[in-house]
Amino acid sequence: EVQLVESGGGLVQPGGSLRLSCVASGFTFSNYAMSWVRQAAGRGLEWVSAISGSGGSTYYADSVKGRFNISRDNSKNTLYLQMNSLRAEDTAVYYCAKGTPLYGPFDPWGQGTLVTVSS
Amino acid sequence: EVVLTQSPGTLSLSPGERATLSCRASQSVSSRSLAWYQQKPGQAPRLLIYGASSRATGIPDRFSGSGSGTDFTLTISRLEPEDFAVYYCQQYGSSPPVSFGQGTKLEIK
Repeated sequence: EVQLVESGGGLVQPGGSLRLSCVASGFTFSNYAMSWVRQAAGRGLEWVSAISGSGGSTYYADSVKGRFNISRDNSKNTLYLQMNSLRAEDTAVYYCAKGTPLYGPFDPWGQGTLVTVSS
Repeated sequence: EVVLTQSPGTLSLSPGERATLSCRASQSVSSRSLAWYQQKPGQAPRLLIYGASSRATGIPDRFSGSGSGTDFTLTISRLEPEDFAVYYCQQYGSSPPVSFGQGTKLEIK
């Protein structure tokens, strides 16, 4: 069974940093692009970032470019999102999602991890 | 970047009725690059349709997708109680960015 499990969310002050992780199982991780998608409370889905299977290509939404960094460790079947210079508007549930096999559609998604940016 | 506009914002129907949800793109989109997702409260989105009209694994055949160019439709032929949720369309391609519509909430009338 394909499974994605996120962790690393929490409460952080504006300007702070946080690193999210997503552990994958049930498929050959290095063969698939992966993405991060976020959802603020009561709002829609916003694509944040994506990375190729090898890790050689990375992509970012304009809203996070220069502040967030996506990476992966294929030996550990783990996807990461390093979030720096966090702002209140970054508050959301962050989901990791598996490409099929590239940058969409996404199937499946993890259960999400909540990031709250507040003083 | 492609902007997707979904309509209506909220759709109120009864179980057994037919639901028709619309997704309009700001520019022509390849039919291979349009997906639909279902999201229930407190859950992650679930892939329903990809390539505009192909059902994902395990999706009941009451769900169908159609359309081309800039206009796409998700149809639920006979609503079951578990179908009441929020639905999102998505445009994707061989490389990002990826776009989502703002969602349509399907509620029980």
